[in-house]
Amino acid sequence: DAGVIQSPRHEVTEMGQEVTLRCKPISGHNSLFWYRQTMMRGLELLIYFNNNVPIDDSGMPEDRFSAKMPNASFSTLKIQPSEPRDSAVYFCASSLSGEEDTQYFGPGTRLTVL
Amino acid sequence: TQLLEQSPQFLSIQEGENLTVYCNSSSVFSSLQWYRQEPGEGPVLLVTVVTGGEVKKLKRLTFQFGDARKDSSLHITAAQPGDTGLYLCAGDRWGKLQFGAGTQVVVTP
Repeated sequence: DAGVIQSPRHEVTEMGQEVTLRCKPISGHNSLFWYRQTMMRGLELLIYFNNNVPIDDSGMPEDRFSAKMPNASFSTLKIQPSEPRDSAVYFCASSLSGEEDTQYFGPGTRLTVL
Repeated sequence: TQLLEQSPQFLSIQEGENLTVYCNSSSVFSSLQWYRQEPGEGPVLLVTVVTGGEVKKLKRLTFQFGDARKDSSLHITAAQPGDTGLYLCAGDRWGKLQFGAGTQVVVTP
């Protein structure tokens, strides 16, 4: 069975450019999570969707970050404009239902903003 | 400031040795999870502990949840190179997972 799929795996961009990260959750999972991992701050939850609806976006750093989930099989995380401090590995995870269920992580997107 | 403090930050041992990593907090969690993350991959759940004082074993890995549900430990017996990875603990507080910064474990042959 396919796990969580993320694309691209690596992204290098210049400051000020728009960046879009993509995620396909495991089929049948109702919850989707976006995380950011850095050496300094570890793994941080950015936003959590349940049944395609954003439930908790308190971890989204600022207005430059936005996330959408137009349907049950696709989500995007967009950064516009990007800044060097956004450089990190971004993970998408999905679970059957809610944060209390086991979360399955994708392989991540390593973002470098020059 | 991390809600969950993991120690040590880095651990390098020889194959066959034992190791323990710790996850501490001043907060109470309804459950605590341990993950292992390998380079270039996402974290993978190893175990969830729920009851204070609970001990769970997964082959050579032993997980313990503190009586007060504020801390946890992971003990690996006779470590193998395949145990190399970043070990993360995550506490469930009011339905929200909080992750520690992780302990990087390197097991050399």
